[in-house]
Amino acid sequence: AQSVTQPDIHITVSEGASLELRCNYSYGATPYLFWYVQSPGQGLQLLLKYFSGDTLVQGIKGFEAEFKRSQSSFNLRKPSVHWSDAAEYFCAVGSPWAGNNRKLIWGLGTSLGVNP
Amino acid sequence: DAMVIQNPRYQVTQFGKPVTLSCSQTLNHNVMYWYQQKSSQAPKLLFHYYDKDFNNEADTPDNFQSRRPNTSFCFLDIRSPGLGDAAMYLCATSRVLAGSYEQYFGPGTRLTVT
Repeated sequence: AQSVTQPDIHITVSEGASLELRCNYSYGATPYLFWYVQSPGQGLQLLLKYFSGDTLVQGIKGFEAEFKRSQSSFNLRKPSVHWSDAAEYFCAVGSPWAGNNRKLIWGLGTSLGVNP
Repeated sequence: DAMVIQNPRYQVTQFGKPVTLSCSQTLNHNVMYWYQQKSSQAPKLLFHYYDKDFNNEADTPDNFQSRRPNTSFCFLDIRSPGLGDAAMYLCATSRVLAGSYEQYFGPGTRLTVT
């Protein structure tokens, strides 16, 4: 079955510390991979995406993610967290055959808290 | 700036009273999605339009309907809201091309059912 797992429901880090949010997926082929961020009461904003090519992708707000095929993972990282990064983070995957399936499979999200 | 707009941002309706939420986009994307998101949960896809082609999720209640009169607008109709329908409703769009179909979200409409 196709699924996305975000093992950490909630993480708290200190401002300035590094961050890694985990995402593992189960899919029949290498899917398209996405990370979204959601601030309280807001919609979701795309942080970064991976379709093919370089397995280390850069996104907005200083985030990056690394695709590891052998581990079926797409972990999100940031070297130095800012208080404004406190939010909910969702990992999502989609079919590489976009013409047949335009839907995303979502993880349950990781809530990030930032201590001053 | 090109964007996805949802109106209203907050909607209060009474139990059983029909309500319509609207979404518009200036991105000229061919796919529009409606999601329901409850507190501390992932978004749940209700349905989506690929151009004029309507695609309903199997577990979407019949109480939820959608209309897409043109490329730019999409509406979510809840015919008889129940207390369990109180949630954030998110509209998203994407442009499905080979190699790219990330979704862009509006700010959401928070629905309260009294």
